[in-house]
Amino acid sequence: DAKTTQPPSMDCAEGRAANLPCNHSTISGNEYVYWYRQIHSQGPQYIIHGLKNNETNEMASLIITEDRKSSTLILPHATLRDTAVYYCIVLNYGGSQGNLIFGKGTKLSVKP
Amino acid sequence: ETGVTQTPRHLVMGMTNKKSLKCEQHLGHNAMYWYKQSAKKPLELMFVYNFKEQTENNSVPSRFSPECPNSSHLFLHLHTLQPEDSALYLCASSPGTGTKNIQYFGAGTRLSVL
Repeated sequence: DAKTTQPPSMDCAEGRAANLPCNHSTISGNEYVYWYRQIHSQGPQYIIHGLKNNETNEMASLIITEDRKSSTLILPHATLRDTAVYYCIVLNYGGSQGNLIFGKGTKLSVKP
Repeated sequence: ETGVTQTPRHLVMGMTNKKSLKCEQHLGHNAMYWYKQSAKKPLELMFVYNFKEQTENNSVPSRFSPECPNSSHLFLHLHTLQPEDSALYLCASSPGTGTKNIQYFGAGTRLSVL
């Protein structure tokens, strides 16, 4: 079973920031939060991951609460091409098997 | 372009046919994966290979037979499939199997079993 809870769907206006929440209240100290997304008819794509500090790359920012029980993926200026299903995944960093366990994710619809 | 190529993109087969799905990665990775994505269900891991050796079989029926001749190629041989096997089959690769390794996915093969 996935260890995360995400809203099934969200809408965002083009050009605005998209803030996608994820609840992972049972996360343990050695587990990281990963985000992938899947655009329709394509394979999943890695976005970002983090442990406890906020992270930023060219695609997105990841904000993790101080207690690490939840996080938010931020797409600062959403475009129509960001319409996709976004998956929040918790992984035991340093484990020998990095098998991804996907939940149902959040379907983000970016509208003009 | 992710560096992981899957062929064919679409496949229709009867229940008595034998077909194969192919995956090729140009990333120099050592680990390769097969996932299944059925309609309205989350992605499910099927098989994991690391340095050509199968390290995980996630209770997949024997009508699915994987083959990994080298670290760059992965096949999924299909025979006597059922209509419920219709799904999107995704291949992924990563530098290794540890959780520090990001997985890169192909675009998938859309399989329909009639």
